[in-house]
Amino acid sequence: DTAVSQTPKYLVTQMGNDKSIKCEQNLGHDTMYWYKQDSKKFLKIMFSYNNKELIINETVPNRFSPKSPDKAHLNLHINSLELGDSAVYFCASSQSVGIELFFGEGSRLTVL
Amino acid sequence: GDSVTQMEGPVTLSEEAFLTINCTYTATGYPSLFWYVQYPGEGLQLLLKATKADDKGSNKGFEATYRKETTSFHLEKGSVQVSDSAVYFCARKINDYKLSFGAGTTVTVRA
Repeated sequence: DTAVSQTPKYLVTQMGNDKSIKCEQNLGHDTMYWYKQDSKKFLKIMFSYNNKELIINETVPNRFSPKSPDKAHLNLHINSLELGDSAVYFCASSQSVGIELFFGEGSRLTVL
Repeated sequence: GDSVTQMEGPVTLSEEAFLTINCTYTATGYPSLFWYVQYPGEGLQLLLKATKADDKGSNKGFEATYRKETTSFHLEKGSVQVSDSAVYFCARKINDYKLSFGAGTTVTVRA
């Protein structure tokens, strides 16, 4: 069983489109995250949810809207995609105390 | 501000060579420190951690010691294998919900 799973793994789309990436964790963790990794491997946190409540929003454009229907899911919707949104997006989860992160395999988004 | 600085890559080594990746941090106090590894095509996974000064984390032959005097947490392995080829990230805890990651160091081990 995959602990943190995200779909799709690859996404190729045109500028201006709207797309979603889904994430699910079966670890029973109470905190979930979205990270963006650029082409130079630099990793930047975007959002964090604890028990379905937003606790971190790192000045991400409001074209990005996370949604957490329950503790086990955190989806990312992106409106009006731009070329600069091309990256690998990682979902992660943790049991907040100790903050050991468990990452999904990543979703590679390519905007043409 | 609080940050993590790690050695720039890429690093290329031969099998059985000694690997060191430097990592230093800035912080008030003594935050928990981590090394994460990202194998090709995968997400990051925790390699080792240290939660207080002078702690040594170890896993899979890798070690790192939390040194408060030099605010460092350098990663070492005595004899690398091809399977150690990956990107290595140093990180420090900011709070219960946030880590600050270094820029990552790409390591390639040649047979």
